[in-house]
Amino acid sequence: EVQLVESGGGLVQPGGSLRLSCTTSGFAFSEHYMDWVRQAPGKGLEWVGRTKTKLYSYTTEYAASVKGRFTVSRDDSKNSLWLQMNSLKTEDTAVYYCGRDANGSPDDWGQGTLVTVSS
Amino acid sequence: DIQMTQSPSSLSASVGDRVTITCRASQGIRNDLGWYQQKPGKAPKRLIYGAYTLQSGVPPRFSGSGSGTEFTLTISSLQPEDFATYYCLQYKSYPGTFGQGTKVEIK
Repeated sequence: EVQLVESGGGLVQPGGSLRLSCTTSGFAFSEHYMDWVRQAPGKGLEWVGRTKTKLYSYTTEYAASVKGRFTVSRDDSKNSLWLQMNSLKTEDTAVYYCGRDANGSPDDWGQGTLVTVSS
Repeated sequence: DIQMTQSPSSLSASVGDRVTITCRASQGIRNDLGWYQQKPGKAPKRLIYGAYTLQSGVPPRFSGSGSGTEFTLTISSLQPEDFATYYCLQYKSYPGTFGQGTKVEIK
C-alpha cells in the first residue's frame, strides 16, 4: 500500500523558518518525481514545487510565489522528501500536501500538515 | 505562467444528473491535464490524467475530454458520493497550475 505521511507543520512567526517532512512507503520512491502542493484555508489548490529523480539530476522547480524562499529536497535512501521554508509570510499559511507524481501529476497524496504563519 | 480558467465555480445538481465542468488554458497544453476531486478535510484524489485516461479504481461515470486549450470533465450520472469540489491541473509546463475549483452541491 502506498503511504505518504507529512509532518513538521505548526505555528511560526512571519520571517521564520520551518521544515516539512514527507516519509513514504509502499512504492519505488527513487523512480518518482515528488511534488508539494498547498491549500490556504478555504481556498483552492496551489502547486508549490517538485523534485525530479536522479536520472534528471534531482532538478527542482518552484512556483513564483515561493521561489528563492522554499527548497525541495529528497533522500532516496530514506524514501523521504522535505520542504525547507524560509522567510515565511502570512500568505504561506496553508495545509501542505506531498504527492507522488505518476504520468505527470500527483496520483497519491499524504494527509497534509498545517502551517500557520502568524505573530 | 499558464492560467487555467475553470467554470462554473459552483453548481447545484440532483442525484442522477449529468454534470459537465470545463477548464480553459491560456495557451495550448496538448493533453497534459488532470482532474481531481476533493472532499472537505481530505487530500485531493486524482480522477483523470492525460486529459482522458481514467485513474485506476475510479468509476466509469467519470470521463474527460479535450486537447489544446479546452477540456471537460463529465459525470454521467451524479451519485451521492460525488458531491465535492473538482479541480483541473495543467502540467504541460512549470509551474503547474490548478483551476479555481468547481463545488458540486446537492440541489
